[in-house]
Amino acid sequence: GNSVTQMEGPVTLSEEAFLTINCTYTATGYPSLFWYVQYPGEGLQLLLKATKADDKGSNKGFEATYRKETTSFHLEKGSVQVSDSAVYFCAPGNEKLTFGTGTRLTIIP
Amino acid sequence: NAGVMQNPRHLVRRRGQEARLRCSPMKGHSHVYWYRQLPEEGLKFMVYLQKENIIDESGMPKERFSAEFPKEGPSILRIQQVVRGDSAAYFCASSQGQPRNTEAFFGQGTRLTVV
Repeated sequence: GNSVTQMEGPVTLSEEAFLTINCTYTATGYPSLFWYVQYPGEGLQLLLKATKADDKGSNKGFEATYRKETTSFHLEKGSVQVSDSAVYFCAPGNEKLTFGTGTRLTIIP
Repeated sequence: NAGVMQNPRHLVRRRGQEARLRCSPMKGHSHVYWYRQLPEEGLKFMVYLQKENIIDESGMPKERFSAEFPKEGPSILRIQQVVRGDSAAYFCASSQGQPRNTEAFFGQGTRLTVV
């Protein structure tokens, strides 16, 4: 089945810093790619997605580009805020919707 | 269109009792997934159901745990004879189509505490 290798956390950054969370995947064919975010005490919610190679997903200042050549879908944001503190999960679409361990991000003022 | 609804939000059970967790998917969604999450850990896949059928239950413990998604009504995750180690947050998600290309929507979770 499809799987993901995600940057291990925790990651701690200062407010307004540049963020990159690396994600590489293995997949059969070309499934959609997703980033989900989990805020404290809540369930996951979709942050952004890309459905085909070279697509860029974006939302709330976050971006990720579907790179077929490098099998990557790295998450980036130019200037993080304290409210971005959460756990981030990269997930290739697969047969049963599984996730990796996620990357815990903490932004300090 | 209401989101995925899970109830109860918090559930306390004594060792040996049964826990029933409910999940109402979003309207029009026929695919349901259950997960377990321990504090500071990722989501562990338990089971994937599609209306009245179990598609994949490879993450479900072989004993005491069962799940169903009947034709009418919510999906139910049942844990019989609970033990302290069952204490965790249980999340449900639903999607309209196959998980390969369709986003999923999550409920707020049920936090089970076994005392």
